[in-house]
Amino acid sequence: KNQVEQSPQSLIILEGKNCTLQCNYTVSPFSNLRWYKQDTGRGPVSLTIMTFSENTKSNGRYTATLDADTKQSSLHITASQLSDSASYICVVSDRGSTLGRLYFGRGTQLTVWP
Amino acid sequence: EADIYQTPRYLVIGTGKKITLECSQTMGHDKMYWYQQDPGMELHLIHYSYGVNSTEKGDLSSESTVSRIRTEHFPLTLESARPSHTSQYLCASSGDGTGVMGYTQYFGPGTRLTVL
Repeated sequence: KNQVEQSPQSLIILEGKNCTLQCNYTVSPFSNLRWYKQDTGRGPVSLTIMTFSENTKSNGRYTATLDADTKQSSLHITASQLSDSASYICVVSDRGSTLGRLYFGRGTQLTVWP
Repeated sequence: EADIYQTPRYLVIGTGKKITLECSQTMGHDKMYWYQQDPGMELHLIHYSYGVNSTEKGDLSSESTVSRIRTEHFPLTLESARPSHTSQYLCASSGDGTGVMGYTQYFGPGTRLTVL
């Protein structure tokens, strides 16, 4: 069964600190992996996308890594800000086309305290 | 920010009522999707469309129906709402660009539905 598992389920950190969120998947075949940020009461917004051949991708203070061999990805947030408080969702696609099915994780709820 | 809109943002109704959740996008995307999301849970695809007059059921069985008469509009209808329909409903769309970036789904803000 294709699955996407994220950890931790929730995380609280102080403003200015770094943190790392984990995503393990069993989706096969594998095409690409996306990290989305979902603010409370809003729709998800894409942060990064990585294909099989990419190991790391950055978007400002967000850096995603991918190990396609172990089927693991991480999202590292540097110098956290209050606005980083949100749910971070890992999404894996089994094909690089519209026909690809998306597999969603349950997300990690990050809270940044001042 | 993506140009995809959903109305209403919040809806509280009684059991048995017919409701329509609106979704529209101004990006000219052919593909549109409806997801259902409960708190702390993953998104579940309930409907999708590859273009005008095309609609398909998603992975999660849903009593809702959809229509796609215009490219920019993808409404979702519940003929008789029940408390079990209480959830957040997210609409998304994607374009036809080449490569994986072209298939990124852009999400609307969602409709929080509560059926009493």
